[in-house]
Amino acid sequence: EVHLVESGGGLVEPGRSLRLSCAASGFIFKDHAMHWVRQSPGKGLEWVSSISWNSGTIDYADSVKGRFTISRDDATNSLYLQMNSLRTDDTALYYCAKDRAAAGPGYFDSWGRGTLVTVSS
Amino acid sequence: QSVLTQPPSVSGAPGQRVTISCAGSNSNIGGRLEVHWYQHLPGAAPKLLIYDDTKRPSGIPDRFSGSKSGTSASLAITGLQPEDEADYYCQSYDKILTAPVFGAGTKLTVL
Repeated sequence: EVHLVESGGGLVEPGRSLRLSCAASGFIFKDHAMHWVRQSPGKGLEWVSSISWNSGTIDYADSVKGRFTISRDDATNSLYLQMNSLRTDDTALYYCAKDRAAAGPGYFDSWGRGTLVTVSS
Repeated sequence: QSVLTQPPSVSGAPGQRVTISCAGSNSNIGGRLEVHWYQHLPGAAPKLLIYDDTKRPSGIPDRFSGSKSGTSASLAITGLQPEDEADYYCQSYDKILTAPVFGAGTKLTVL
């Protein structure tokens, strides 16, 4: 059974940084693209970033481009999101999601339960 | 403003059928890009309900079905059950934005 567990969220001041992690198990991690998707309070789902199976293709939503960096460590089956220059509108529940394919983006066939990031002074 | 347009809410009584629409454009749904649907219960991980327009992952009951025509797609739920009360999102890929895109979500209330 696929298991995705996010961690690293918390309360942070505007302009500061935070690093999210996602521990994956139950599937061959290195064979799949992975994503971060967020949900701001009272809002819908918003795709944030994607990384292909070999890290050869990396994409970001315009709203986070230049501030966020996605990465993966296939040795530890882990996905990361380095978030710099955080803004109040980055406040959201951040989900880690598995792509059905290696290259992505296809669809998100498994999700974690999310980690909450609150950006506030 | 979401690229894909969904109704904010729909409702139905137990046992009834409801449909949730998802309107896009030629740069996503109309451009032969697949539509996927997710169910999101409060406090839970989103769950894939329908992929590639009409396909159901294993374990998803056949009460859930997807369809697509032109620049729009629909999710139909028959035999409504109280546990179906959730938020439902459509998702596709947009060729102009070069990004996955979601609808704003539809809240289903089972009366």
